[in-house]
Amino acid sequence: DVKVTQSSRYLVKRTGEKVFLECVQDMDHENMFWYRQDPGLGLRLIYFSYDVKMKEKGDIPEGYSVSREKKERFSLILESASTNQTSMYLCASTLIWGGASVYGYTFGSGTRLTVV
Amino acid sequence: DQQVKQNSPSLSVQEGRISILNCDYTNSMFDYFLWYKKYPAEGPTFLISISSIKDKNEDGRFTVFLNKSAKHLSLHIVPSQPGDSAVYFCAGSSGSRLTFGEGTQLTVNP
Repeated sequence: DVKVTQSSRYLVKRTGEKVFLECVQDMDHENMFWYRQDPGLGLRLIYFSYDVKMKEKGDIPEGYSVSREKKERFSLILESASTNQTSMYLCASTLIWGGASVYGYTFGSGTRLTVV
Repeated sequence: DQQVKQNSPSLSVQEGRISILNCDYTNSMFDYFLWYKKYPAEGPTFLISISSIKDKNEDGRFTVFLNKSAKHLSLHIVPSQPGDSAVYFCAGSSGSRLTFGEGTQLTVNP
């Protein structure tokens, strides 16, 4: 089974800090995604990447950036954390473009980020 | 623009009965629809999908129905079990990009 690992389950950061959320997958998947989950809003796409060094904005990219230097690792960066970025962050991957339609994404367990 | 909408935040059913979770969408370009299940402190897990050219897909206790003219899909769970208690998300697929609804909390009472 493919595994998607997020480095931290819980994080508490101060307003204005630069925050790195790390995600690693172990099955050579091409596509990786970052979502945030908020009550009443579901999962919203922040950024995704379909290849090393490639990135695309999702629906809510403001205040975030990403890095994909290696195929297995996709990092989400909060340049200057704010309280409205307090959320559950979920990383996901899928093998090929279009594959998610049939096989779905594999998600990590999530990182609960609190910005104080 | 909420392309995928789940209007019921919660649903409670008795063990052994049918659970019906509903989802509406606006984007006619979705080629697949998927359902995910999420337990607290875990990532969502893929449950079942349906192609936009089909109207029904069944996998064990789970059946998804698609009504394209109404832009509506539903997930039926029969019989419901206490272990099915979770948040269920529907999603529309375009390429490998998924757009999720808000989620419905299903509670199955013993």
